[in-house]
Amino acid sequence: QQQLQESGPGLVKPSETLSLTCTVSGGSISTSYYYWGWIRQPPGKGLEWIATIYYTGSSYYNPSLKSRVTISVDTSNNQFSLSLSSVTAADTAVYYCARYPASGTPGTGSYYGMDVWGQGTTVTVSS
Amino acid sequence: QAVLTQPSSLSASLGASASLTCTLRSGFNVGTYMMYWYQQKPGSPPQYLLRYRSDSDKQQGSGVPSRFSGSKDPSANAGILLISGLQSEDEADYYCLIWHINAWVFGGGTKLSVL
Repeated sequence: QQQLQESGPGLVKPSETLSLTCTVSGGSISTSYYYWGWIRQPPGKGLEWIATIYYTGSSYYNPSLKSRVTISVDTSNNQFSLSLSSVTAADTAVYYCARYPASGTPGTGSYYGMDVWGQGTTVTVSS
Repeated sequence: QAVLTQPSSLSASLGASASLTCTLRSGFNVGTYMMYWYQQKPGSPPQYLLRYRSDSDKQQGSGVPSRFSGSKDPSANAGILLISGLQSEDEADYYCLIWHINAWVFGGGTKLSVL
């Protein structure tokens, strides 16, 4: 069973950049079967999709966050990462990484919704 | 108006069935969408339950009991998660999800209480 584990600072100062990494175990990230991505959940609130990436580097972003978000993949370490710039208190949330099964022809950007999630990591934006 | 609207809360009795709805904004046809359902318990990540577009295009999540099922109500433009034989451990938050105009969109979630 593939597992995902988030890591990164739990506290980030306003206006700085939040950086998180997700390590995939139990299988290679360099597979045509899956895409990989990030979702967040502010305290007591609902879920928000952030971004998704394929092992080739093809990426897809939530339009509402796109100007501040970068998602990247490191196939040599079986990891992918999230960078969110110019953070404010509104970015305080639990950040989850997740796996998305590919659909149709691999690598065409067609994929299903998340089927495996990491445990999540809490990030607080505060001075 | 939100893209997906879920009732904030729902209560149902132990052993009974619960029907959780996820209504798509007017102007869009729920029949064309694949809808996903997730269960989240306090302090835990969401767990994938199932996806449903039609009776011929659906998938149950790995290890998810068959008493969780998906359907649609075209007249209400809504997706439905039906949970039959409610158990105490079904008490949780439930979220729906669709791919809508180049973005994944979640519903606001329904808190299910099992009485």
